[in-house]
Amino acid sequence: AQTVTQSQPEMSVQEAETVTLSCTYDTSESDYYLFWYKQPPSRQMILVIRQEAYKQQNATENRFSVNFQKAAKSFSLKISDSQLGDAAMYFCAYRSAENSGYALNFGKGTSLLVTP
Amino acid sequence: NAGVTQTPKFRILKIGQSMTLQCTQDMNHNYMYWYRQDPGMGLKLIYYSVGAGITDKGEVPNGYNVSRSTTEDFPLRLELAAPSQTSVYFCASRLRETRETQYFGPGTRLLVL
Repeated sequence: AQTVTQSQPEMSVQEAETVTLSCTYDTSESDYYLFWYKQPPSRQMILVIRQEAYKQQNATENRFSVNFQKAAKSFSLKISDSQLGDAAMYFCAYRSAENSGYALNFGKGTSLLVTP
Repeated sequence: NAGVTQTPKFRILKIGQSMTLQCTQDMNHNYMYWYRQDPGMGLKLIYYSVGAGITDKGEVPNGYNVSRSTTEDFPLRLELAAPSQTSVYFCASRLRETRETQYFGPGTRLLVL
């Protein structure tokens, strides 16, 4: 089974600054998808960004971008110009493109605090 | 278009009681999932379904049952509630195509005392 590791239980960033959240994963598959989900106090799971493993170009969504290093099995999330509304739990997730079900494997999450 | 809906939002159960968590999606998605999220942890897969009449176990299926009689509904049944089942339960769905994204419901918070 694929494992996803988020080594930073908590991170803090000042408003308008940049922060990077780390994620590593373990897999023997060549085709897969990686995701970052945001979970605010409301508990709703919100998709932030996704990356297809076959694409070399790093995904970008407005202030959110990823650094995808396939050989190193690393998938970090960079949040630029941090805003108070970015404060939440952030989960990295892996999904196989080969196995039936295509369920998500989640890391334990990183709690992001944004200070004024 | 309501997306993925879950009922109830919150429930307290006594040990040994049973209940069904409801999940409905109106997006005609083939795949549906049940996850649980324990405090301070990520989500873990309980069961999933790739279509009506087809279900399969995930990582933590013990103590739960599911059925999928229609495309829209995927209820999760707890037969004998235990304190270890205190958690937040999320239902999710997606289309069959590999590139498609999962959509999550708002979650059901369950407390077993």
